[in-house]
Amino acid sequence: DIQMTQSPHSLSASLGETVSIECLASEGISNYLAWYQQKPGKSPQLLIYYASSLQDGVPSRFSGSGSGTQYSLKISNMQPEDEGVYYCQQGYKYPNTFGAGTKLELK
Amino acid sequence: QVTLKESGPGILQPSQTLSLTCTFSGFSLSTYGMGVGWIRQPSGKGLEWLANIWWDDDKYYNPSLKNRLTISKDTSNNQAFLKITNVDTADTATYYCARMPEGIVPNYFDYWGQGVMVTVSS
Repeated sequence: DIQMTQSPHSLSASLGETVSIECLASEGISNYLAWYQQKPGKSPQLLIYYASSLQDGVPSRFSGSGSGTQYSLKISNMQPEDEGVYYCQQGYKYPNTFGAGTKLELK
Repeated sequence: QVTLKESGPGILQPSQTLSLTCTFSGFSLSTYGMGVGWIRQPSGKGLEWLANIWWDDDKYYNPSLKNRLTISKDTSNNQAFLKITNVDTADTATYYCARMPEGIVPNYFDYWGQGVMVTVSS
């Protein structure tokens, strides 16, 4: 199985700050990487697919980048509604696997 | 408008079979390239992918659950199903179904259901 290692486990950011979350795959995944946001009591929501493609309706302050085994999600201009847990997921090989999640809080 | 909604028994006893239904609208599982997946999340923990089914009835399972999973679909009624046999307390979780859109990029989930909580307890 492809292991997805997310870092950091948690972080806090001030209003307007830019934050980055990293995801490291145990082998190359050819950009088949998605990012999701989950708020408490809610289902995950797709933010980014194919490493850098922004899902319709997602604010442009979210962006994804990376290649090979290393990927990142950047949130520019942190807003209160960006609080939540963020997960990466690889769709390159079965079984599909998720990272353990990164909890983002507003400082 | 794409929507998905999961339904299940709520609570069941160890060794029983868990049967989950995903009823969706706004897309068809007979459309080329479309798929539905099941993902679960124990309370306070991360996401675990369980199974995918595609428009052509191709199926994929998480081998960590060995041979306990069966995924199926009813295209005419816009439903997908997941069965988990021989459940135990470790299967207690919120279960989500989610759509995998048609396109050249496979295996990501663009619409999710609200989830259904399942508790396994004696």
